[in-house]
This record gives sequence, structure tokens and C-alpha cells, in this order.
Amino acid sequence: EAQVTQNPRYLITVTGKKLTVTCSQNMNHEYMSWYRQDPGLGLRQIYYSMNVEVTDKGDVPEGYKVSRKEKRNFPLILESPSPNQTSLYFCASVPGQGYSGNTIYFGEGSWLTVV
Amino acid sequence: AQSVAQPEDQVNVAEGNPLTVKCTYSVSGNPYLFWYVQYPNRGLQFLLKYITGDNLVKGSYGFEAEFNKSQTSFHLKKPSALVSDSALYFCAVRDKYSGAGSYQLTFGKGTKLSVIP
Repeated sequence: EAQVTQNPRYLITVTGKKLTVTCSQNMNHEYMSWYRQDPGLGLRQIYYSMNVEVTDKGDVPEGYKVSRKEKRNFPLILESPSPNQTSLYFCASVPGQGYSGNTIYFGEGSWLTVV
Repeated sequence: AQSVAQPEDQVNVAEGNPLTVKCTYSVSGNPYLFWYVQYPNRGLQFLLKYITGDNLVKGSYGFEAEFNKSQTSFHLKKPSALVSDSALYFCAVRDKYSGAGSYQLTFGKGTKLSVIP
């Protein structure tokens, strides 16, 4: 089954404690990205990757890091989480390198609470 | 720059009645337009998209949307609402000629649809 898998789905952590949210897709997609969803703001892109070892900032990259060492994986790293990073996070993948109207496939989401 | 507006935070409709969730967009070129649905505690699921061709697009679960270039709108519709359609709906746009880069889909803020039995 084609899917985007995120872990953990739910996490409560404390300010400053580094954490990583993993994302893996089994569709051999070149393009992957991370979004955060906040009430009244819709989805905003954090980082994206057009292929292995190619990453770039989205609209709200502050406080986040990513890496793309393998095509299937695109982890999101919060080096020093703060309460304003409490949000619902989605990983997504798209076939190709994002030039066309291809459909985005989303993971199930990761609820992150920073206290 | 591209943008999307969903003017209604919430839409209430009686079961069996037709439903409309509104979306307007702004792009400098021609748009790719998408609708996604989010059920409680779930990820976003693709409903339908407009790329080119027929202005009336049919998608999953009986939904359809009409692309109106003159009004820059892409409203989501369904002839007969079901209680199970209750969810959060997102419209998204991408400029067809934005070229390489972030594959930036710009999302609206979402519209909560409640179908009342």
C-alpha cells in the first residue's frame, strides 16, 4: 500500500529537549516536505526536499532542521523545541520534482506539544 | 505570489441537502487547484484537482468542484450531504508556471463542514 508514515503520532516534550519526527514514504517519490497546521492558519510549509541531499526552506523554517540522506526518509529535527512549536505536523511526498500538478500524499500527522 | 481564501470558517448543512464550500484564489499565471479533506485525528486526504480541461471536476466520495476563471473560484460541491462528510476541508493552489522550487502549495485556512442529521 502506498503510504507516508510518520512517527511518533503523539508526543509531549519539554522545552529544549531535542526531538526528531521521522517520515518515510514507499512510493519512490523525489519530492518530500514538512508542513505544520495551526488553527486559523491552514498548512504552512516548513522545509522541502527535491531529492536526496537537496533541501531548502519553506515559509516557516525557524527552529527546525531536516536531512535527506535517503530517498524514502525525510526526518524533521527540533534541536531545542519551544512552546510555539506546539502544533500538528504533516509530512508529504510528491512524485517528480514538483514541477507539475501532481497530487501531494500526506502522512497521518504528528501531534507535538512542547511544555 | 499566490493565495487562497476560504471565506467561511464553518458551514452547516442538513443531511440530504446540497452543500457548497467556497474557495477563491489568486495567482499570477494559471492555477493548479486542489481540495483536501481532513477527518478528525487523521491526515489530509486528496479529494480532487483541476489541472486543465473541463471546468467541472469530479472527485472522491461524490464531490465535485467547478473552476471559474473569471471569478477566480473553485467551489466544492456535493448534491446530497451525508453526516459522514463532516470534516475540515482545505482548498489549495499552485501557480502552473511557478517553476522549480518549493512545490509550494498554498493552502486556505480551512472550512469546517458540519452535516446535521
